[in-house]
Order: sequence, then structure tokens, then C-alpha cells
Amino acid sequence: DGGITQSPKYLFRKEGQNVTLSCEQNLNHDAMYWYRQDPGQGLRLIYYSQIVNDFQKGDIAEGYSVSREKKESFPLTVTSAQKNPTAFYLCASSIDQETQYFGPGTRLLVL
Amino acid sequence: AQKVTQAQTEISVVEKEDVTLDCVYETRDTTYYLFWYKQPPSGELVFLIRRNSFDEQNEISGRYSWNFQKSTSSFNFTITASQVVDSAVYFCALSEAERASYDKVIFGPGTSLSVIP
Repeated sequence: DGGITQSPKYLFRKEGQNVTLSCEQNLNHDAMYWYRQDPGQGLRLIYYSQIVNDFQKGDIAEGYSVSREKKESFPLTVTSAQKNPTAFYLCASSIDQETQYFGPGTRLLVL
Repeated sequence: AQKVTQAQTEISVVEKEDVTLDCVYETRDTTYYLFWYKQPPSGELVFLIRRNSFDEQNEISGRYSWNFQKSTSSFNFTITASQVVDSAVYFCALSEAERASYDKVIFGPGTSLSVIP
């Protein structure tokens, strides 16, 4: 089945720790995105990538980093510089700048 | 600047009632896309529909229908004969095609729909 997978479903971070969220797609989409969703809020764009080895900052990139070494994969690292990382993280992909398709999300909690 | 407003934060209806979710958008572009997504309690956003700015025909898909009116910059979503499974947060979104920019899909704040059995 074609789709987007995110892992883990739940992730716990200790103070000062970097953690990496996985996002994989087998839709052959060129563009991939990371969004953050806080309780009762809409989606805010963290990073996006249009092609392999290229990515751009979104509206709230501080404290996050990404890589795009393969078309299928767009991992997000939440660094220790992100002081308020507790949120729901959604990965998406699109074949162009139009319809984005989303993964199931990862809930990040701080211990 | 582009903006999406969903004035209804939360709506509760009794099962089998019809419900309309409002979406009002702002854009200066003449070419744009509008979307609706559903986010059930599991969290994943499910794509429902995409409309481009040149197609004002209303669309019906089963119990779902969409009313796009450029004159009022609205793209409202109606669920007929609501069911408990319709309980979710619904997001309206806007993408300005003329910007050719991947970072400009703007999501509204969402409307939380609760369908009570």
C-alpha cells in the first residue's frame, strides 16, 4: 500500500536530549513537510523540502533540524534548543505544491 | 496576505442532523486552491477535497457537500445526516498557486465537530 509512515507513535524526551522523528513515504512524491500542532491549534510549518538534498525553513524552524538524503525519507530532529517541544508532529508529502497527504503523526512528550 | 478563518471553534449536533462548517479565506491571487481535511481522534489528517479558484461548481460526495462562493470568499462544508464517525476536527486550507511556493499552504484553526448519538 502506498502511504506515509511516521515513527514512533509516541516519543519521550529528556531535558537536553535530541530526538529524531522518522517520516517515510512510498508515494514517489517530491515534496515533504513537517508541521507542529499544539492542543486546540492549527498546523504550523517547521520545514519543507522540494527535492532531495534541499530543504527550507518554515515558520517555526528554530530548535529543529532536518535532512533529505533520500526522496522517501525526511527525518526531523528536535534539538535541545527547542525549549517547548511537547506537541503533535505531522509529516506530509505532495507531488507538487497542491494536495498534501499526511502521515499518522508522532506525539512528543517531555519527561 | 492570505488567511483562512474558521469562525466556529466547536460544534455539537445530534446524530442525523445536518451541519455546515464555515470557511472564509483571504487572498490577492486569482489562482488558488482550497482544501478540506478531517482529523479524527487518531490524529492523522485525511484529505477530503481540493477545489481550484476557477471551478465554482458545488460538489457532493455521499453525505458530504461543498459550497464554493468566490463572491463571498467562502468554501463551506456540509455534512448531511451526521453520524458519530463524523466527530473530528475539520481544517480548511488555502494555497496560492501563483506564488509557486511550497511553503504557503495556510491552514485555518479548525472546527471541532462532535456528533452526539
